[in-house]
Amino acid sequence: EPEVTQTPSHQVTQMGQEVILRCVPISNHLYFYWYRQILGQKVEFLVSFYNNEISEKSEIFDDQFSVERPDGSNFTLKIRSTKLEDSAMYFCASSEEAGGNYEQYFGPGTRLTVT
Amino acid sequence: LAKTTQPISMDSYEGQEVNITCSHNNIATNDYITWYQQFPSQGPRFIIQGYKTKVTNEVASLFIPADRKSSTLSLPRVSLSDTAVYYCLVVPTGANNLFFGTGTRLTVIP
Repeated sequence: EPEVTQTPSHQVTQMGQEVILRCVPISNHLYFYWYRQILGQKVEFLVSFYNNEISEKSEIFDDQFSVERPDGSNFTLKIRSTKLEDSAMYFCASSEEAGGNYEQYFGPGTRLTVT
Repeated sequence: LAKTTQPISMDSYEGQEVNITCSHNNIATNDYITWYQQFPSQGPRFIIQGYKTKVTNEVASLFIPADRKSSTLSLPRVSLSDTAVYYCLVVPTGANNLFFGTGTRLTVIP
């Protein structure tokens, strides 16, 4: 079964540093997403991406965040200057189409620890 | 966006059928009802989705009454590996995101 992959599985960084989290969505999917989950809290939507541009973003996704699809397979999330409160699991997801009748496939996540 | 309400936690013995009910009183005509499962330190995984009546797949059944104001996820004969958090989501057609609540933490006891 095709799956979404993410690298690295765990990233430790110092406050103020830039990090790039990488994802390879399922190959025939057109919609890509990033979510995060702070330990013990809800899964929170960050951003959706379609046709090489952001479709929707949440309030969390401020100017410190950016997304990119640099080639035909990778989808990245960049945090420019990390803060302690950015420590969380970051999940990438993809879907064939958008909407409630299409499932989103989630990757295994990247655990980001900001010290 | 329709708000969902589901039990915070449930316990069940192995081999039993588990039913988790979710209420979504403000569901709109173009909303789908979707359930995801999440194991610790893993991403959510789609279980089942429906619009009305009953849907069944190899993992679960989803019962949706005619008024669609609630739905029930049914897991037949649970095992220890079904211990997870189960999320009920109401997702509009064409939506670009999923909004997860706190879910129901199901613990299966030997």
